[in-house]
Amino acid sequence: DVKVTQSSRYLVKRTGEKVFLECVQDMDHENMFWYRQDPGLGLRLIYFSYDVKMKEKGDIPEGYSVSREKKERFSLILESASTNQTSMYLCASSPYAGTSGRLSSSYNEQFFGPGTRLTVL
Amino acid sequence: KNEVEQSPQNLTAQEGEFITINCSYSVGISALHWLQQHPGGGIVSLFMLSSGKKKHGRLIATINIQEKHSSLHITASHPRDSAVYICAVSYGGSQGNLIFGKGTKLSVKP
Repeated sequence: DVKVTQSSRYLVKRTGEKVFLECVQDMDHENMFWYRQDPGLGLRLIYFSYDVKMKEKGDIPEGYSVSREKKERFSLILESASTNQTSMYLCASSPYAGTSGRLSSSYNEQFFGPGTRLTVL
Repeated sequence: KNEVEQSPQNLTAQEGEFITINCSYSVGISALHWLQQHPGGGIVSLFMLSSGKKKHGRLIATINIQEKHSSLHITASHPRDSAVYICAVSYGGSQGNLIFGKGTKLSVKP
């Protein structure tokens, strides 16, 4: 059974603290994603990674950084947490679709972790 | 930039009712995804389709590529169907990025 795990379900931090959110997948997927989800705004992409040590900014990268030292692990870092970073954080992974030949749409299926509800006081 | 619009935003139904959730998008895609998120946060993929119709149990997903529109139907709805249903689209790129709708919150009353 495929699995994406996140280090915490609930987390409470203080303003200014450095926060690490960890995500691990056991499916040998190349692509990994970090989203935040807020009421009325849906899922918004923070950062994604398509290979070890590679990262790309998503739609809302400000205030966040990421690290991907190993294929199975993708970390989201809040350098100095602020109250507007209180949110649900979701990690996802998907396999690499390849660049040659006909792409299968099945390779775009993303597998999600259970989410981390972060509160910054 | 592709926009993904879902309707309705909120939906309350009585147990047993037939439910339809709609999704529209603005530019061509390679696939459309329907996702389900139960209270507590975890998201699971229900369907991924690029044409026609797919069925799984009481759930049916359809897509009309020409009209850039998809529907998710739930027959004989049950309180355990209460969840947020999210539509997302992809373009088939190797990195697999998805564009998400804002979700439809469904509540099925017994």
